Amino acid sequence: TQTVSQSDAHVTVFEGDSVELRCNYSYGGSIYLSWYIQHHGRGLQFLLKYYSGNPVVQGVNGFEAEFSKSDSSFHLRKASVHWSDSAVYFCAVSQNTGYQNFYFGKGTSLTVIP
Amino acid sequence: EAAVTQSPRNKVAVTGGKVTLSCNQTNNHNNMYWYRQDTGHGLRLIHYSYGAGSTEKGDIPDGYKASRPSQENFSLILELATPSQTSVYFCASGDVLEGDTLYFGAGTRLSVL
Repeated sequence: TQTVSQSDAHVTVFEGDSVELRCNYSYGGSIYLSWYIQHHGRGLQFLLKYYSGNPVVQGVNGFEAEFSKSDSSFHLRKASVHWSDSAVYFCAVSQNTGYQNFYFGKGTSLTVIP
Repeated sequence: EAAVTQSPRNKVAVTGGKVTLSCNQTNNHNNMYWYRQDTGHGLRLIHYSYGAGSTEKGDIPDGYKASRPSQENFSLILELATPSQTSVYFCASGDVLEGDTLYFGAGTRLSVL
């Protein structure tokens, strides 16, 4: 069974600040790691994913995430946030077992103060 | 662009009533999913489908049924709604050939009184 832990339920920063949203996971086997964003009242939208290769992956809107096998982590970062980045961010672990077996973290709510 | 559309967006139901949540996707994806989202629990998988005619139980299937009459449509059915089923429900589609990416609908907010 995969588990996904997002240690911070809420993060508040000012516009222009950098931010890191933390994700740790446990897994057995070959997995994908991904991040999704959910704006208020909307569905989740894909941001980025990692499967293999370069441990730093780039996503949309300046987001990037770095995989660390030693730390079992996949933290999301952005160098300079904008007020429109305010949303809930979900980390997910998935395996292709015929269907896409996703396990989501509980989410981190990011508030960006203009 | 790929799209997943859910209806209704909001629903108020009475305890013991029947509720049907509908989902349509234009992605031509084989797999479709129903999740519920509750504070403190994140997203939990209720049912999923590999294609037309198939439905499978997810992690929390009790009290729910699903129907996949076509590639495009996937419904979630609450035969006897209970207040504990008050939640936000999300439909998603995906295809293993596209890697592990899910495309979500905007959600249905269900209140069971």
